[in-house]
Amino acid sequence: EDQVTQSPEALRLQEGESSSLNCSYTVSGLRGLFWYRQDPGKGPEFLFTLYSAGEEKEKERLKATLTKKESFLHITAPKPEDSATYLCAVADDMRFGAGTRLTVKP
Amino acid sequence: DVKVTQSSRYLVKRTGEKVFLECVQDMDHENMFWYRQDPGLGLRLIYFSYDVKMKEKGDIPEGYSVSREKKERFSLILESASTNQTSMYLCASRSSGTGLPLHFGNGTRLTVT
Repeated sequence: EDQVTQSPEALRLQEGESSSLNCSYTVSGLRGLFWYRQDPGKGPEFLFTLYSAGEEKEKERLKATLTKKESFLHITAPKPEDSATYLCAVADDMRFGAGTRLTVKP
Repeated sequence: DVKVTQSSRYLVKRTGEKVFLECVQDMDHENMFWYRQDPGLGLRLIYFSYDVKMKEKGDIPEGYSVSREKKERFSLILESASTNQTSMYLCASRSSGTGLPLHFGNGTRLTVT
């Protein structure tokens, strides 16, 4: 059975303090790994898809990377508006990790 | 932009009631999904559908059923609601094909008293 594990469960940063979120997975034949952002009271919003080891995607202060066993979401110089829960999931059964709740303090 | 609409943002039902949660998508997506989200447990897949009139059990189907009579609509049914079904329910859709992301609605927060 595919497994997706995210760490840490919660992360508190000061504005401007860069860090990384981790998503480790065990799947047979990865067909894609997805990152989502979820704000309180809303559904997850798609951020990135990564398909193969070594691939990287960037959007504003976020950069997602992928290895054969894990993915990282790097947050550079975060702002308070980056506060959210970040979820990862693997294709095609769309199994999700439990998420990392990020809080960025001004 | 894909739009996935869940009919209710908040619902309060009594134990034993039959509950219908409705989801409609406007992008002609073949695949539709129902998840529940609980603190500390993340999103757990209840049921999904690859096409009209097709359904597959996810990880936690007990106590739930689904209906997909039209391509754009996927309904989740709680046959006899129980307090442990109090949760946030999220509907999602995507096109068929390998490695495509889900598009989510904003969820229905269901409270069963």
